[in-house]
Amino acid sequence: QQPVQSPQAVILREGEDAVINCSSSKALYSVHWYRQKHGEAPVFLMILLKGGEQKGHEKISASFNEKKQQSSLYLTASQLSYSGTYFCGTDNTDKLIFGTGTRLQVFP
Amino acid sequence: GAGVSQSPSNKVTEKGKDVELRCDPISGHTALYWYRQSLGQGLEFLIYFQGNSAPDKSGLPSDRFSAERTGGSVSTLTIQRTQQEDSAVYLCASSLGQVAGGAETQYFGPGTRLLVL
Repeated sequence: QQPVQSPQAVILREGEDAVINCSSSKALYSVHWYRQKHGEAPVFLMILLKGGEQKGHEKISASFNEKKQQSSLYLTASQLSYSGTYFCGTDNTDKLIFGTGTRLQVFP
Repeated sequence: GAGVSQSPSNKVTEKGKDVELRCDPISGHTALYWYRQSLGQGLEFLIYFQGNSAPDKSGLPSDRFSAERTGGSVSTLTIQRTQQEDSAVYLCASSLGQVAGGAETQYFGPGTRLLVL
């Protein structure tokens, strides 16, 4: 039931782009994306809803393919502040089940 | 406004002792969740409370783990006879309502770092 994320880790130079993927074996109704910096709590980035509605972040975009049961997070022109571990969460009977996480490091 | 708060922020205990971890959700949030995060790992669901409904305990790893939520607000996660493998960060989250269908999302507290010696 746990969503699978890929890649497990990404290393970028400032200004480069990255894509993080989240796949589920179950039908998805919504996908929630969070970022967690080392030693801190996960922080909400955005929700993607079935039907295409997207709520959340201004500088990060995402897609949600209901048929493929996948979501992708697009980080363009990455900044140092983007470093952290990204988690996708899929709703499962009123709670979120989180993916395995993708560790992103952005260097100057 | 105030976010989710948890206490203590750090807890060191000896194997076999019981511990209690506290979570104060955002005021007005009806749903409360507990997750566990082992070092370098993902977020493992433990238990979910929604209003006055029976809690979803499907993620509790053993009967040594229990949680309660009093008055629809504060929650306490209790681990009895702690083991070294219980060492982890325990995160609490709350949401205004149900997250089903993307209606709401969860907001996390800072966590309690538990170390069992």
